[in-house]
Amino acid sequence: AQSVAQPEDQVNVAEGNPLTVKCTYSVSGNPYLFWYVQYPNRGLQFLLKYITGDNLVKGSYGFEAEFNKSQTSFHLKKPSALVSDSALYFCAVRPSGGYQKVTFGTGTKLQVIP
Amino acid sequence: GAVVSQHPSWVICKSGTSVKIECRSLDFQATTMFWYRQFPKQSLMLMATSNEGSKATYEQGVEKDKFLINHASLTLSTLTVTSAHPEDSSFYICSARDPDRNEQYFGPGTRLTVT
Repeated sequence: AQSVAQPEDQVNVAEGNPLTVKCTYSVSGNPYLFWYVQYPNRGLQFLLKYITGDNLVKGSYGFEAEFNKSQTSFHLKKPSALVSDSALYFCAVRPSGGYQKVTFGTGTKLQVIP
Repeated sequence: GAVVSQHPSWVICKSGTSVKIECRSLDFQATTMFWYRQFPKQSLMLMATSNEGSKATYEQGVEKDKFLINHASLTLSTLTVTSAHPEDSSFYICSARDPDRNEQYFGPGTRLTVT
């Protein structure tokens, strides 16, 4: 069975500082990996995904994530955090090959402090 | 990007009544739609997968008779919460798969409160 772990319930970072939101996964075969952001009472917004190719994936709003196969990780990063980045972030995974169910992590609340 | 809408965005109903939530793909035909439930400060839990023209596939522990799913067209799926109880209060999110792009797009969610 596939799974996603987001070890931090909350991450606090000062505005302007770099941020990292951690994600590790477990899946059979090659993974498709995703990051989504959710603002209060809103649905999920897609940030970025890794399918194949370069391990460093760039996404929306200046976010990027690095796929590390040996560590089975897909950490989300941003060089300089904004207050408006404060939200709930979900990492997700599904196996490659056809379309299969997406499994979400438990989410990490990012709080950017002015 | 592709747009998925949900209606209503929020609904309050009395215990024992039923409520229907609609999920529409606005600019693509979705052969598959998914319904998720999200409790406060928790992740999304997949409730069921619906394929157009066939019965929905429910995840383990989800009551089929309570959460009725209909996927009557390639752009519309509905979730009906029957005989709602306060414990059904939650945030329900649908998503639709665009087969051409092989991508899954999420709706904005529906906040259900059962009093």
